[in-house]
Amino acid sequence: DAGITQSPRHKVTETGTPVTLRCHQTENHRYMYWYRQDPGHGLRLIHYSYGVKDTDKGEVSDGYSVSRSKTEDFLLTLESATSSQTSVYFCASSGTDSGNTIYFGEGSWLTVV
Amino acid sequence: DQQVKQNSPSLSVQEGRISILNCDYTNSMFDYFLWYKKYPAEGPTFLISISSIKDKNEDGRFTVFLNKSAKHLSLHIVPSQPGDSAVYFCAASLGNSGGGADGLTFGKGTHLIIQP
Repeated sequence: DAGITQSPRHKVTETGTPVTLRCHQTENHRYMYWYRQDPGHGLRLIHYSYGVKDTDKGEVSDGYSVSRSKTEDFLLTLESATSSQTSVYFCASSGTDSGNTIYFGEGSWLTVV
Repeated sequence: DQQVKQNSPSLSVQEGRISILNCDYTNSMFDYFLWYKKYPAEGPTFLISISSIKDKNEDGRFTVFLNKSAKHLSLHIVPSQPGDSAVYFCAASLGNSGGGADGLTFGKGTHLIIQP
């Protein structure tokens, strides 16, 4: 599996506050992704990146922004957290050396109160 | 509009028997399919994949079958073991690889329970 680490692993925050989740991968993968997992919805793509400073929106991007200043780092920001953003967030990456299979991090549990 | 569907939220199978997990898709442009396994409080882990040019791929106890005309794939686990108890996600990709710019589209998952 790819070396993907997420931080923080758990966070409780108040409605209206900004939150940044960090993802770091050590595989030099070109592509990185942020997904959220919710009961009854499976995994849904929030944003993805196909290179440094190249990002695009996924299925559920409203209320989220991302940045990728280095190949290994992909940040997900909730500009003003809402209760509907309480979820488990998974970072993932893929590259040609992985056969383009997507590998996931361990997840970040975010609770917005 | 859900493009990848796993219609069974849960499945219970006796240890040693065959587990069959099903997945249907609606987008005929999907070209590559994957199965992921997820334990509680962990990230999904890749299990097995299949390209649309094949109808079967086997890896040890795990076999994935693809029926393109029916837009249906299934994952067979033989024999089922207690450690197989997990949530299984079916995923599909546009293009001929599992990753790439568009990522994957996932089903909602099936919770497989292996009973002793």
